[in-house]
Amino acid sequence: GNSVTQMEGPVTLSEEAFLTINCTYTATGYPSLFWYVQYPGEGLQLLLKATKADDKGSNKGFEATYRKETTSFHLEKGSVQVSDSAVYFCALSDSKTGTASKLTFGTGTRLQVTL
Amino acid sequence: DVKVTQSSRYLVKRTGEKVFLECVQDMDHENMFWYRQDPGLGLRLIYFSYDVKMKEKGDIPEGYSVSREKKERFSLILESASTNQTSMYLCASSLRGGVGDSPLHFGNGTRLTVT
Repeated sequence: GNSVTQMEGPVTLSEEAFLTINCTYTATGYPSLFWYVQYPGEGLQLLLKATKADDKGSNKGFEATYRKETTSFHLEKGSVQVSDSAVYFCALSDSKTGTASKLTFGTGTRLQVTL
Repeated sequence: DVKVTQSSRYLVKRTGEKVFLECVQDMDHENMFWYRQDPGLGLRLIYFSYDVKMKEKGDIPEGYSVSREKKERFSLILESASTNQTSMYLCASSLRGGVGDSPLHFGNGTRLTVT
């Protein structure tokens, strides 16, 4: 079945540091890949997505590239801010269309950014 | 903006009680989902629905049931609550079609404690 593996956290960085959160996946077919973010006390919200190999998703300074050869979708940001402190979830969809495609989530990585 | 509203933020119930968790979305989405979120396990899909009165089991349906009598409302039912159902429950919705085309929109969650 489908699975997503994320690096364990917490990740603690100083403001303006470079961020990488690793994500690898196992899936049949051609899944779409996502990063969701959960700020304290809130539900998850979509951060970025990529729907096919070599696509780069980007939003709010975050980027991730869909690498089929390494089955990876690592999240990066060049300069983090305190406001980026949150839990980040990598996810993939099964490739069905026309019905409710399901997402498989990783376990989440907590990011703590300090001044 | 899509709004997914979960009726309770915190809930405390006793073992053996019947528990209803309610979720309402205001954007006419066809698909609705119930996840539970546990530390170290990420999000796991309990049930989902792609149309009124339709439901499908997710990865961990045991001990749960659902009801979707109206398009905007999706209820999660714990027939006889047990302590291992203490968790954060997240409701989500999306438009019909592949998840690659339509992201999930999440509510803020209900933290259920069963004593």
